[in-house]
Amino acid sequence: EPEVTQTPSHQVTQMGQEVILRCVPISNHLYFYWYRQILGQKVEFLVSFYNNEISEKSEIFDDQFSVERPDGSNFTLKIRSTKLEDSAMYFCASTSGTDIDYNSPLHFGNGTRLTVT
Amino acid sequence: AQRVTQPEKLLSVFKGAPVELKCNYSYSGSPELFWYVQYSRQRLQLLLRHISRESIKGFTADLNKGETSFHLKKPFAQEEDSAMYYCASRYNFNKFYFGSGTKLNVKP
Repeated sequence: EPEVTQTPSHQVTQMGQEVILRCVPISNHLYFYWYRQILGQKVEFLVSFYNNEISEKSEIFDDQFSVERPDGSNFTLKIRSTKLEDSAMYFCASTSGTDIDYNSPLHFGNGTRLTVT
Repeated sequence: AQRVTQPEKLLSVFKGAPVELKCNYSYSGSPELFWYVQYSRQRLQLLLRHISRESIKGFTADLNKGETSFHLKKPFAQEEDSAMYYCASRYNFNKFYFGSGTKLNVKP
């Protein structure tokens, strides 16, 4: 079964540094998402992306965050200047979103654990 | 606003006991509802969706439009069921909302 893949699995960075988290969504999916989960807390929506643009974003997704689909397969989340409170597990997800597969659920990657020191 | 509510943060039961994880939704249209499970330090995995009306790992969930609920049930809990469970709704084609999650702890 196809999977959403994320790299790296764990990223350690210093406060103020830029990080890029990478995701490869399932190949025929059209909608892409980033979610965040701070340790011990709930899963929080960050942003959704469709047709090469952001379709929705949450209050968490401020100017420090950006997303990009640089080629036909990768979907990246960039944090420009990391803060301690950005430490969390970041999950990428995708869904088909087509008329044929309207009921396609979200498929999640394994996540990237970001640690900001 | 669309909302999914899971009123219990933690549910502890003994092995073999019945389990019901509650989920209520607010939505004016026809909701599409899911249950996701997250085992320790793993990805969220789809457990059930209401359109399938299936039973996975002994779990079932019935959509009750009158009560706007989609509770997850299992008659006999197992220790391996211990995990975080998230109820989610989907509307407007591809917008998903997640509840705050319920941690299920099944004691031996």
